[in-house]
Amino acid sequence: NAGVTQTPKFQVLKTGQSMTLQCAQDMNHEYMSWYRQDPGMGLRLIHYSVGAGITDQGEVPNGYNVSRSTTEDFPLRLLSAAPSQTSVYFCASSSPRGGRETQYFGPGTRLLVL
Amino acid sequence: TQLLEQSPQFLSIQEGENLTVYCNSSSVFSSLQWYRQEPGEGPVLLVTVVTGGEVKKLKRLTFQFGDARKDSSLHITAAQPGDTGLYLCAGGRSGGSNYKLTFGKGTLLTVNP
Repeated sequence: NAGVTQTPKFQVLKTGQSMTLQCAQDMNHEYMSWYRQDPGMGLRLIHYSVGAGITDQGEVPNGYNVSRSTTEDFPLRLLSAAPSQTSVYFCASSSPRGGRETQYFGPGTRLLVL
Repeated sequence: TQLLEQSPQFLSIQEGENLTVYCNSSSVFSSLQWYRQEPGEGPVLLVTVVTGGEVKKLKRLTFQFGDARKDSSLHITAAQPGDTGLYLCAGGRSGGSNYKLTFGKGTLLTVNP
């Protein structure tokens, strides 16, 4: 099993450009989430999904869109990149275990917006 | 917004010393997880505690969930250089599932040989 994979690993964008961060998991997990990690801020939840076709907003959703057409994939779209979106983005997945879920994180995508 | 205050933010100690990292909130969490993150990688789960007063041990690491489920601590005995990393606590929302985690800002631990 590859676990949670994220592409690309690094990306540089210009302000106003759009792009999609890819996330895939091969563990048949129902739950998937996107977080961003900024220095001194910890990880903050952007969007999450509890199953194919179901998504919802997290703490910092503005400027991001998600969709979940399959169980395996959960792409994150930046509509019009801004310098404030410079961050490291992590995707995570898990299966329900009554509060004892193990969240599996991908290796991250490092994004720089100029 | 449920906030998790983690302290200290930075900790630099010598090999063999003991240390404790704290994670506090004014809100009740249904569960509390501790993660360790290495540079350039995603966080890796160390432990999940769900019951008030619960204590879990993982070799030299001891995790405790407060009785009121508002705080947690991580104690490391006889720290080793391999323990170096960013330690993150994360709280799960009420309702059971941990797909919506609230993270503390992390404690960056450096263990010097």
